[in-house]
Amino acid sequence: DAKTTQPPSMDCAEGRAANLPCNHSTISGNEYVYWYRQIHSQGPQYIIHGLKNNETNEMASLIITEDRKSSTLILPHATLRDTAVYYCIVRVGWGEGAGGTSYGKLTFGQGTILTVHP
Amino acid sequence: DGGITQSPKYLFRKEGQNVTLSCEQNLNHDAMYWYRQDPGQGLRLIYYSQIVNDFQKGDIAEGYSVSREKKESFPLTVTSAQKNPTAFYLCASSIDVRREVSLRELFFGEGSRLTVL
Repeated sequence: DAKTTQPPSMDCAEGRAANLPCNHSTISGNEYVYWYRQIHSQGPQYIIHGLKNNETNEMASLIITEDRKSSTLILPHATLRDTAVYYCIVRVGWGEGAGGTSYGKLTFGQGTILTVHP
Repeated sequence: DGGITQSPKYLFRKEGQNVTLSCEQNLNHDAMYWYRQDPGQGLRLIYYSQIVNDFQKGDIAEGYSVSREKKESFPLTVTSAQKNPTAFYLCASSIDVRREVSLRELFFGEGSRLTVL
């Protein structure tokens, strides 16, 4: 799976948009971009994923550059409860990969610590 | 409500003792996973299971063992052979990817924090 690079920490004011960048310059054509977040001492929570097109759901928006070498997770109106570690993960789609060896192999790096302040 | 339950939430053990962490899910998911997380670090895959009575080693399986006798349950045993067992352990599950090609997310439990005294 391609490696990702994220800033170690970011701050955001409550009510403002939080834009979290992720660099994945070695991404392959069949690799998807996933975002998870982890609130302190809890299990990670899925946020969103995408391949080429921008995606939006009730939690966030994902903007992927045309060359797919980077992406940005956008929390449109950050709240104090959005303070967490955000992980950007790039991996082959489920069901793909030689012999199914990619199953479950979401490689979580150190992520970005997002702090939302009043 | 459907979800994943891990127990115990906190566990202390003496060196040389084996300890088993429980993971139960009622999501009807076929695949289950165990991850380990150390302070300030990301998650590392220990073992995963795609179907009952089958499981595969992840990236850091040494010193750990698992079983998958029931679809709902995937217990992890931390053996005395694990040199540095103090960590936060996370269990996850997902739909069996062999039956459905479309992408699916992992659902995580709340974690078990193991401390070796």
